[in-house]
Amino acid sequence: SAVISQKPSRDICQRGTSLTIQCQVDSQVTMMFWYRQQPGQSLTLIATANQGSEATYESGFVIDKFPISRPNLTFSTLTVSNMSPEDSSIYLCSVEPLAKNIQYFGAGTRLSVL
Amino acid sequence: SQELEQSPQSLIVQEGKNLTINCTSSKTLYGLYWYKQKYGEGLIFLMMLQKGGEEKSHEKITAKLDEKKQQSSLHITASQPSHAGIYLCGADSYGQAGTALIFGKGTTLSVSS
Repeated sequence: SAVISQKPSRDICQRGTSLTIQCQVDSQVTMMFWYRQQPGQSLTLIATANQGSEATYESGFVIDKFPISRPNLTFSTLTVSNMSPEDSSIYLCSVEPLAKNIQYFGAGTRLSVL
Repeated sequence: SQELEQSPQSLIVQEGKNLTINCTSSKTLYGLYWYKQKYGEGLIFLMMLQKGGEEKSHEKITAKLDEKKQQSSLHITASQPSHAGIYLCGADSYGQAGTALIFGKGTTLSVSS
């Protein structure tokens, strides 16, 4: 399995500010995914982050709002920009290690926007 | 697009009782994954099923995938308070490594002692 460290674990932010979430994996992985889980809802994919290329965003999510970096095979960041209360959610990163057909998840970042 | 429907939405059982959670897909499943989530935390991988009729067990949890690969069940035997949490089924809708999962809305399990 992969060990994923996600930071911060939680944060309370003011409207209009931005927050960058970090995801560090203990092994090299090709694919990293960012999901959002709104209160009482299931997980929704925000984007897929491949090393060395731009992230691929799902319908309803745009790069200006959720810029993603993937500088190497073990690290990625997701920024939630110009936050509003509607952005209050749990944000999770996941990885699928090579030769494994299983996705492992970080512990998530619980974001509250006031 | 593929959708996963989980039932029941929530469940309260007495400690020691058995329970079953179901996950039904609108399309054939290439892979079906079960995860457990503690409140406000990340997902813990439980089991993955790929073949029609496949059944896997780990400790007191058994997951099955039907022959048509459109329905899965998760069965917990002799439930304990440690089983409490949100159970999510996730589907690989493309059958390719490295694709994101689609998730059901989850089943919240409470176990009373």
